[in-house]
Amino acid sequence: AQTVTQSQPEMSVQEAETVTLSCTYDTSESDYYLFWYKQPPSRQMILVIRQEAYKQQNATENRFSVNFQKAAKSFSLKISDSQLGDAAMYFCAYRSHNYGQNFVFGPGTRLSVLP
Amino acid sequence: NAGVTQTPKFQVLKTGQSMTLQCAQDMNHEYMSWYRQDPGMGLRLIHYSVGAGITDQGEVPNGYNVSRSTTEDFPLRLLSAAPSQTSVYFCASSGEVSTEQFFGPGTRLTVL
Repeated sequence: AQTVTQSQPEMSVQEAETVTLSCTYDTSESDYYLFWYKQPPSRQMILVIRQEAYKQQNATENRFSVNFQKAAKSFSLKISDSQLGDAAMYFCAYRSHNYGQNFVFGPGTRLSVLP
Repeated sequence: NAGVTQTPKFQVLKTGQSMTLQCAQDMNHEYMSWYRQDPGMGLRLIHYSVGAGITDQGEVPNGYNVSRSTTEDFPLRLLSAAPSQTSVYFCASSGEVSTEQFFGPGTRLTVL
């Protein structure tokens, strides 16, 4: 079974600075999808970014980018120019390419943004 | 397009009571799932469904039942509520395998 690990329970960053959240996963599959979700205090789960394992190019969405290292099974999220609104729980998630396979979530990292 | 809706938003139950958490989606997604979120434990899968009439157990299914009579609806039933079921419950849906899961707003359940 796949597992997702986020080794940083809490992180903090100064406003306008850059922070990187770590995620590693364990799988024997070669084709899969990886996601980062953000959960602000409102509790709503919001997709931040998505990466297909067959794509070597790292995904980017505005200030958010990933460093996808397939061989190392690592999928870190970089937030540039951090804003107060980035403060939230961040969850890393894995999904198999095989339809019907479930999403597997990591335990989350709580990010604080300091003014 | 309302996305994924959940009702109620908050609920307080007494031990032994039963209730149903409602979930509906209007995106014609085949895959739907229920998670519970407890502090420090992320999201844990309770039950999921890959289409109408098809359901299966996730990581923590005990004490919960589901059914999927239509593509749109996926209710979660608590048979006899216990304090250990105090949690925040999320319903989610997704379409093609490469797309993300869309989440409902969650239900905060307290069992006294």
